[in-house]
Amino acid sequence: EAQVTQNPRYLITVTGKKLTVTCSQNMNHEYMSWYRQDPGLGLRQIYYSMNVEVTDKGDVPEGYKVSRKEKRNFPLILESPSPNQTSLYFCASSFNERKETQYFGPGTRLLVL
Amino acid sequence: DAKTTQPPSMDCAEGRAANLPCNHSTISGNEYVYWYRQIHSQGPQYIIHGLKNNETNEMASLIITEDRKSSTLILPHATLRDTAVYYCIVSSGNTPLVFGKGTRLSVIA
Repeated sequence: EAQVTQNPRYLITVTGKKLTVTCSQNMNHEYMSWYRQDPGLGLRQIYYSMNVEVTDKGDVPEGYKVSRKEKRNFPLILESPSPNQTSLYFCASSFNERKETQYFGPGTRLLVL
Repeated sequence: DAKTTQPPSMDCAEGRAANLPCNHSTISGNEYVYWYRQIHSQGPQYIIHGLKNNETNEMASLIITEDRKSSTLILPHATLRDTAVYYCIVSSGNTPLVFGKGTRLSVIA
């Protein structure tokens, strides 16, 4: 089954404690991205990657890092989480220009205390 | 990417057609119109997309005006499970999708 998986699905952490949210897709997609969703603000893109070792900033990259060492994986790293990073996070993947093929993961709900 | 304007919310009776409008008056010639929806905190789901011709698939129909400055997503027989936030997005090539606030559609029994 074609899917994007994220782990963990729920996470409570404290300010400053480094964390990683994993994202994996099984569709051999080149393009992957991370979004955060906050009430009243819609989905905002954090980072995206056009292919292995190619990443670029989205609209709200501050406080986040990503890496793309393998095609299937695109982890989101919060080196020093802060309460304003409390949010619902989605990973997505697609064939490069074919946005109609974009699949989203189930989401990771993060609470930073 | 061109920006889109959608009403913040709409209601629709179950079994009736839901018509969701979207304005994209600054759309450029190579930009497609995409529609996604998000059901209660799940990941967004692709519905349909088009360039200038009307499109139909098993989920919905997309009507794009001749000048391409607006479009309408039609859910022909809305069900309670169609209650969601619907996003209209214009995008081209490799530029990422930019999600606005969308329209919250409530299907009422």
